[in-house]
Amino acid sequence: GQQVMQIPQYQHVQEGEDFTTYCNSSTTLSNIQWYKQRPGGHPVFLIQLVKSGEVKKQKRLTFQFGEAKKNSSLHITATQTTDVGTYFCAGRGSNYQLIWGAGTKLIIKP
Amino acid sequence: NAGVTQTPKFQVLKTGQSMTLQCAQDMNHNSMYWYRQDPGMGLRLIYYSASEGTTDKGEVPNGYNVSRLNKREFSLRLESAAPSQTSVYFCASTGPSGGYGTNSPLHFGNGTRLTVT
Repeated sequence: GQQVMQIPQYQHVQEGEDFTTYCNSSTTLSNIQWYKQRPGGHPVFLIQLVKSGEVKKQKRLTFQFGEAKKNSSLHITATQTTDVGTYFCAGRGSNYQLIWGAGTKLIIKP
Repeated sequence: NAGVTQTPKFQVLKTGQSMTLQCAQDMNHNSMYWYRQDPGMGLRLIYYSASEGTTDKGEVPNGYNVSRLNKREFSLRLESAAPSQTSVYFCASTGPSGGYGTNSPLHFGNGTRLTVT
């Protein structure tokens, strides 16, 4: 079946360092959504990418959708404590269902 | 405007007991979903309702049943709970202009943390 692999599973960074998470699909996606889940909370929608090669920015967050629409990334510049949480990608497959990555947990080292 | 409301927030069941998780949304959304979340596995779709009056199985439907009571409410029932159903359950909705299969983002409830002993 269709799968979306998300790596890494965890990333420990010092506050101020950058963070990146990657998603790779086994098949072409029609779009991809990104969500953030704070510890103990629920997923909250961040952004959606639809076009091949699309790049969108939200302040310190940069989202990219690959040219083949099979991969995507989220990059956070100069992490802050408020960025802590788990970041999920969810790709829209050929059967219209969302296929979720397993998430990348961002941990800020004290 | 409460968004998506789930009850209860926490529940402990013994193996074999039954329970219903309730979900209601006040955003006039067409589509509603039930997910379970287990550590390291992301979100897995249990059942969804593309529109009022319809329900369909997702990725992991075994051991669950659902009811789309009306446009606002979508409940999830565990008839005979098993330890493998220990998880965090999230209800979500999309719409109103778009629904299942569209580009609409999901709006999630706060979740129900279920433990089956």
